[in-house]
Amino acid sequence: DGGITQSPKYLFRKEGQNVTLSCEQNLNHDAMYWYRQDPGQGLRLIYYSQIVNDFQKGDIAEGYSVSREKKESFPLTVTSAQKNPTAFYLCASSIDRWEWSYNEQFFGPGTRLTVL
Amino acid sequence: QKEVEQNSGPLSVPEGAIASLNCTYSDRGSQSFFWYRQYSGKSPELIMFIYSNGDKEDGRFTAQLNKASQYVSLLIRDSQPSDSATYLCAVKDRGAGNMLTFGGGTRLMVKP
Repeated sequence: DGGITQSPKYLFRKEGQNVTLSCEQNLNHDAMYWYRQDPGQGLRLIYYSQIVNDFQKGDIAEGYSVSREKKESFPLTVTSAQKNPTAFYLCASSIDRWEWSYNEQFFGPGTRLTVL
Repeated sequence: QKEVEQNSGPLSVPEGAIASLNCTYSDRGSQSFFWYRQYSGKSPELIMFIYSNGDKEDGRFTAQLNKASQYVSLLIRDSQPSDSATYLCAVKDRGAGNMLTFGGGTRLMVKP
């Protein structure tokens, strides 16, 4: 079964603690993305990666970090510098062919992070 | 700053009616437009994409694009209670890569 998996489904963090959210895909996609969604809001881009060992900041990267050591994996670390991390975090992947106009982004099931 | 605007709703329609969801975008150079459906607590799933002016139909769904007016819409015919969800409009940025800018979503409620 091809798809994107995220773990854990629910995560609780104490103040001042770093936590890492996992994202794995077996779709052989080049590009991967992390989004944050707050209640009643749309998706905001945190980080994206178009190729292994390279990634770019999105609109709200402060307080987050990522790595892309393997094509299949794109973990997100929420650091203690992120002051309001309680949100729904979504990982996505897509083929990255710039000449195509309609590359669908496929989403994982999400991780709901709550700060205690 | 690229913007994608949607009415947050809720948009309430009776079962069997046509639901009309609208989206405007600020970047005139935007190329492709996507409609995602998101059930409460779940991840978004793609319903349709459109990149040419005019209408595109897929079953009960019709996407409409008007690049001159920077406007894209989604029509849902014969609405069903199972269509109750939040609908997210997303716009592909111009240039390399596959970045999308999402609107805030419209919550649709279909009442039996």
